[in-house]
Amino acid sequence: DADVTQTPRNRITKTGKRIMLECSQTKGHDRMYWYRQDPGLGLRLIYYSFDVKDINKGEISDGYSVSRQAQAKFSLSLESAIPNQTALYFCATSDLKGARVNEQFFGPGTRLTVL
Amino acid sequence: AQSVTQLGSHVSVSEGALVLLRCNYSSSVPPYLFWYVQYPNQGLQLLLKYTSAATLVKGINGFEAEFKKSETSFHLTKPSAHMSDAAEYFCAVTGGEGGGNKLTFGTGTQLKVEL
Repeated sequence: DADVTQTPRNRITKTGKRIMLECSQTKGHDRMYWYRQDPGLGLRLIYYSFDVKDINKGEISDGYSVSRQAQAKFSLSLESAIPNQTALYFCATSDLKGARVNEQFFGPGTRLTVL
Repeated sequence: AQSVTQLGSHVSVSEGALVLLRCNYSSSVPPYLFWYVQYPNQGLQLLLKYTSAATLVKGINGFEAEFKKSETSFHLTKPSAHMSDAAEYFCAVTGGEGGGNKLTFGTGTQLKVEL
Protein backbone atom coordinates (compact mmCIF):
# COMPACT_ATOMS: atom_id res chain seq x y z
CA ASP A 1 0.00 0.00 0.00
CA ALA A 2 1.16 3.52 -0.80
CA ASP A 3 2.37 5.62 2.13
CA VAL A 4 0.88 8.86 0.80
CA THR A 5 -2.41 8.65 -1.08
CA GLN A 6 -4.37 11.31 -2.88
CA THR A 7 -7.99 11.31 -4.00
CA PRO A 8 -9.20 11.82 -6.59
CA ARG A 9 -6.40 11.13 -9.06
CA ASN A 10 -8.12 13.04 -11.82
CA ARG A 11 -10.90 15.61 -11.71
CA ILE A 12 -12.58 17.78 -14.29
CA THR A 13 -14.79 20.54 -13.00
CA LYS A 14 -16.35 23.81 -14.09
CA THR A 15 -15.54 27.38 -13.21
CA GLY A 16 -17.12 28.43 -9.92
CA LYS A 17 -17.45 24.95 -8.46
CA ARG A 18 -16.09 24.03 -5.04
CA ILE A 19 -13.52 21.26 -5.13
CA MET A 20 -11.80 19.32 -2.36
CA LEU A 21 -8.64 17.30 -2.84
CA GLU A 22 -7.75 14.85 -0.12
CA CYS A 23 -4.47 13.49 1.14
CA SER A 24 -3.86 10.68 3.61
CA GLN A 25 -0.61 9.27 4.92
CA THR A 26 0.40 6.20 6.88
CA LYS A 27 3.97 7.32 7.53
CA GLY A 28 3.17 8.85 10.91
CA HIS A 29 4.72 12.15 9.85
CA ASP A 30 3.88 15.42 11.55
CA ARG A 31 4.33 17.69 8.57
CA MET A 32 2.19 17.82 5.48
CA TYR A 33 2.33 20.04 2.39
CA TRP A 34 0.32 20.90 -0.70
CA TYR A 35 2.05 21.89 -3.93
CA ARG A 36 0.91 22.62 -7.44
CA GLN A 37 2.98 21.79 -10.50
CA ASP A 38 2.73 23.72 -13.73
CA PRO A 39 4.85 23.07 -16.83
CA GLY A 40 8.03 25.13 -16.74
CA LEU A 41 7.37 26.41 -13.22
CA GLY A 42 8.32 23.43 -11.09
CA LEU A 43 6.49 22.87 -7.82
CA ARG A 44 5.14 25.76 -5.82
CA LEU A 45 4.03 25.53 -2.21
CA ILE A 46 0.37 26.32 -1.52
CA TYR A 47 -0.03 25.50 2.18
CA TYR A 48 1.79 23.52 4.81
CA SER A 49 1.04 22.19 8.27
CA PHE A 50 3.55 21.20 10.94
CA ASP A 51 0.93 19.59 13.17
CA VAL A 52 -2.84 19.39 13.53
CA LYS A 53 -3.12 22.87 15.07
CA ASP A 54 -0.63 24.55 12.76
CA ILE A 55 -1.55 25.81 9.28
CA ASN A 56 0.68 28.11 7.22
CA LYS A 57 0.37 29.81 3.87
CA GLY A 58 2.87 29.04 1.17
CA GLU A 59 3.88 31.22 -1.74
CA ILE A 60 0.63 30.82 -3.74
CA SER A 61 -2.22 30.38 -1.23
CA ASP A 62 -4.74 32.82 -2.78
CA GLY A 63 -7.86 30.99 -3.92
CA TYR A 64 -7.11 27.93 -1.78
CA SER A 65 -7.86 26.78 1.75
CA VAL A 66 -6.82 23.73 3.74
CA SER A 67 -7.97 21.61 6.65
CA ARG A 68 -5.83 19.32 8.79
CA GLN A 69 -8.47 16.94 10.08
CA ALA A 70 -6.00 14.62 11.80
CA GLN A 71 -2.29 13.94 11.82
CA ALA A 72 -2.80 11.66 8.84
CA LYS A 73 -5.18 13.79 6.77
CA PHE A 74 -4.70 17.12 5.02
CA SER A 75 -7.24 18.37 2.48
CA LEU A 76 -7.02 21.20 -0.02
CA SER A 77 -10.10 23.13 -1.13
CA LEU A 78 -10.74 25.42 -4.03
CA GLU A 79 -13.76 27.44 -2.92
CA SER A 80 -14.60 28.69 -6.41
CA ALA A 81 -12.45 27.06 -9.04
CA ILE A 82 -11.08 29.09 -11.95
CA PRO A 83 -9.34 27.88 -15.13
CA ASN A 84 -5.87 29.03 -14.08
CA GLN A 85 -6.07 26.57 -11.20
CA THR A 86 -5.79 23.79 -13.75
CA ALA A 87 -2.63 21.98 -12.65
CA LEU A 88 -1.15 18.86 -11.11
CA TYR A 89 -1.47 18.93 -7.32
CA PHE A 90 0.83 17.05 -4.99
CA CYS A 91 0.62 16.28 -1.31
CA ALA A 92 3.84 15.58 0.59
CA THR A 93 4.86 14.65 4.13
CA SER A 94 7.97 14.89 6.25
CA ASP A 95 8.98 14.46 9.85
CA LEU A 96 11.14 16.29 12.34
CA LYS A 97 13.45 13.56 13.38
CA GLY A 98 17.10 12.77 12.85
CA ALA A 99 18.71 12.37 9.47
CA ARG A 100 15.40 12.52 7.64
CA VAL A 101 14.72 16.08 8.59
CA ASN A 102 13.29 18.02 5.64
CA GLU A 103 13.15 15.09 3.23
CA GLN A 104 9.64 15.04 1.78
CA PHE A 105 7.65 12.06 0.55
CA PHE A 106 5.19 12.69 -2.23
CA GLY A 107 1.83 11.30 -3.17
CA PRO A 108 1.00 10.32 -6.77
CA GLY A 109 -0.70 13.60 -7.58
CA THR A 110 -4.15 14.81 -8.57
CA ARG A 111 -4.64 16.19 -12.06
CA LEU A 112 -7.27 18.93 -11.88
CA THR A 113 -8.83 20.54 -14.93
CA VAL A 114 -11.09 23.57 -14.53
CA LEU A 115 -13.18 24.32 -17.61
CA ALA B 1 15.39 33.03 1.48
CA GLN B 2 16.53 30.15 -0.68
CA SER B 3 16.27 29.49 -4.38
CA VAL B 4 17.63 27.09 -6.97
CA THR B 5 18.28 27.54 -10.67
CA GLN B 6 18.32 24.60 -13.02
CA LEU B 7 20.10 25.38 -16.27
CA GLY B 8 18.47 23.74 -19.24
CA SER B 9 14.80 22.82 -19.18
CA HIS B 10 15.51 19.97 -21.62
CA VAL B 11 18.61 17.80 -21.86
CA SER B 12 19.10 15.05 -24.42
CA VAL B 13 21.80 12.36 -24.20
CA SER B 14 22.57 9.13 -25.97
CA GLU B 15 22.21 5.86 -24.14
CA GLY B 16 25.54 5.10 -22.44
CA ALA B 17 26.63 8.74 -22.39
CA LEU B 18 27.32 10.88 -19.34
CA VAL B 19 24.33 12.60 -17.76
CA LEU B 20 24.95 16.06 -16.28
CA LEU B 21 22.04 18.08 -14.90
CA ARG B 22 22.94 21.46 -13.46
CA CYS B 23 21.68 23.08 -10.28
CA ASN B 24 22.89 26.26 -8.62
CA TYR B 25 21.53 27.39 -5.29
CA SER B 26 21.20 30.56 -3.33
CA SER B 27 20.80 30.38 0.41
CA SER B 28 21.41 32.71 3.34
CA VAL B 29 22.00 29.76 5.66
CA PRO B 30 23.87 26.48 5.16
CA PRO B 31 21.61 24.62 2.78
CA TYR B 32 20.17 21.18 2.58
CA LEU B 33 19.94 20.17 -1.09
CA PHE B 34 17.92 17.48 -2.81
CA TRP B 35 17.42 15.94 -6.20
CA TYR B 36 14.04 14.42 -6.98
CA VAL B 37 12.96 12.49 -10.06
CA GLN B 38 9.48 12.38 -11.55
CA TYR B 39 8.62 9.58 -13.96
CA PRO B 40 5.62 10.07 -16.25
CA ASN B 41 2.30 10.09 -14.38
CA GLN B 42 3.96 9.60 -11.03
CA GLY B 43 4.83 11.63 -7.97
CA LEU B 44 8.31 12.78 -7.04
CA GLN B 45 10.86 10.31 -5.73
CA LEU B 46 13.99 11.27 -3.81
CA LEU B 47 17.22 10.51 -5.70
CA LEU B 48 19.70 11.88 -3.19
CA LYS B 49 20.24 14.58 -0.59
CA TYR B 50 23.03 16.70 0.83
CA THR B 51 22.78 17.47 4.54
CA SER B 52 26.25 18.89 5.32
CA ALA B 53 28.03 15.56 5.68
CA ALA B 54 30.09 14.27 2.72
CA THR B 55 30.17 16.67 -0.22
CA LEU B 56 29.91 13.84 -2.75
CA VAL B 57 26.53 12.23 -2.34
CA LYS B 58 25.54 8.95 -3.93
CA GLY B 59 21.93 8.22 -4.65
CA ILE B 60 19.74 5.59 -6.21
CA ASN B 61 19.99 4.27 -9.77
CA GLY B 62 23.69 5.19 -10.10
CA PHE B 63 23.22 8.94 -9.71
CA GLU B 64 25.48 11.14 -7.64
CA ALA B 65 25.89 14.84 -6.93
CA GLU B 66 28.69 16.97 -5.56
CA PHE B 67 28.13 19.94 -3.29
CA LYS B 68 30.53 22.75 -4.22
CA LYS B 69 30.20 25.69 -1.89
CA SER B 70 32.63 27.85 -3.85
CA GLU B 71 30.47 27.46 -6.95
CA THR B 72 27.11 27.30 -5.09
CA SER B 73 26.38 24.23 -7.18
CA PHE B 74 24.91 20.77 -6.70
CA HIS B 75 25.02 19.19 -10.14
CA LEU B 76 23.60 15.72 -10.73
CA THR B 77 25.61 13.18 -12.72
CA LYS B 78 25.43 9.61 -13.92
CA PRO B 79 28.31 8.03 -15.84
CA SER B 80 26.17 6.07 -18.29
CA ALA B 81 22.61 6.94 -19.22
CA HIS B 82 19.97 4.27 -19.55
CA MET B 83 16.67 4.53 -21.36
CA SER B 84 14.88 4.15 -18.02
CA ASP B 85 16.47 7.42 -16.82
CA ALA B 86 14.16 9.43 -19.06
CA ALA B 87 12.17 11.57 -16.63
CA GLU B 88 11.95 15.05 -15.18
CA TYR B 89 14.47 15.98 -12.51
CA PHE B 90 14.03 18.63 -9.86
CA CYS B 91 16.62 20.23 -7.63
CA ALA B 92 15.36 21.60 -4.32
CA VAL B 93 16.80 23.54 -1.40
CA THR B 94 15.85 24.23 2.17
CA GLY B 95 17.60 26.19 4.85
CA GLY B 96 17.50 23.35 7.31
CA GLU B 97 16.03 23.36 10.77
CA GLY B 98 16.69 27.04 11.27
CA GLY B 99 15.62 28.01 7.80
CA GLY B 100 11.95 27.28 7.74
CA ASN B 101 11.94 23.63 6.74
CA LYS B 102 10.23 24.36 3.46
CA LEU B 103 11.53 23.06 0.17
CA THR B 104 12.01 25.45 -2.72
CA PHE B 105 12.10 23.67 -6.06
CA GLY B 106 13.78 24.51 -9.32
CA THR B 107 11.79 24.59 -12.53
CA GLY B 108 12.89 21.11 -13.53
CA THR B 109 14.97 19.51 -16.30
CA GLN B 110 13.41 17.02 -18.68
CA LEU B 111 15.94 14.32 -19.54
CA LYS B 112 15.58 12.51 -22.84
CA VAL B 113 17.68 9.42 -23.56
CA GLU B 114 18.11 8.43 -27.16
CA LEU B 115 19.33 5.19 -28.71
